[in-house]
Amino acid sequence: GQQLNQSPQSMFIQEGEDVSMNCTSSSIFNTWLWYKQDPGEGPVLLIALYKAGELTSNGRLTAQFGITRKDSFLNISASIPSDVGIYFCAGQLVAGGSNYKLTFGKGTLLTVNP
Amino acid sequence: DVKVTQSSRYLVKRTGEKVFLECVQDMDHENMFWYRQDPGLGLRLIYFSYDVKMKEKGDIPEGYSVSREKKERFSLILESASTNQTSMYLCASSLDYGQGRQETQYFGPGTRLLVL
Repeated sequence: GQQLNQSPQSMFIQEGEDVSMNCTSSSIFNTWLWYKQDPGEGPVLLIALYKAGELTSNGRLTAQFGITRKDSFLNISASIPSDVGIYFCAGQLVAGGSNYKLTFGKGTLLTVNP
Repeated sequence: DVKVTQSSRYLVKRTGEKVFLECVQDMDHENMFWYRQDPGLGLRLIYFSYDVKMKEKGDIPEGYSVSREKKERFSLILESASTNQTSMYLCASSLDYGQGRQETQYFGPGTRLLVL
C-alpha cells in the first residue's frame, strides 16, 4: 500500500526561528493536506493542496504540492510558542471509483523554546 | 464552522466489556471515519462510511464494528474490549463530491480509551 515518510520526527527550536518539514510518498497523490494536533485534541486542518506545483499560504504557514506529486513540504516562519504540537501530512489519491482513504504521515513533533 | 463531536473525552473500561464510542457531525457530511492514534504509529483507519447504513473496512478493522443508522451519527463498537485497544480514538467527517472525491476531513476532539 501507499506509504508516507514524514521528516523530521521531531524538532526543538527557538522562538522566532523558521521551521521546515516534509513528506514523501512511494506513489503519487492528487491531494495533500497538512494538519496540526494540539495535545489531547483532534487534528485541525491547516492547509489543503489540490494541484501539482501549488504553493499556498495561511498566515505564517506555507505549503507546497511537489511537481512529481510524491512530496509536499510545510514551512512555518517566525515560530511562536503556540506553534507547539504535532504536524501531520496526509495524502489522497482519487483514481476512478471510490477512494475515501487518507494516508497519514507519522507526524513531526514541534517544540518551541520561548 | 464544521463541528464533529465525540461522546466522551475520556473512558475507562474493563477487559471484556462492550464499548460504544459515538460521533456526531452537524454539517450534513456523507463520509464519516474512525481512526485510532498510537504513539509511533500515527493515525490508522479502522472503518469508514460513505452513506447511511454503508460501511467499509479500513486498515485495522479487527476487533471493531460500526453502525451508521443516521447520516449525522457514526458509532464505533468494541464488542469485547481488550487491553491492546487502549488508544486515542478519532472520528472525522467529510463532504462527498462524488466519484470518490471528498472535501478535506474534519476531526473531532478524540476519545482517550483505557482498557484495564
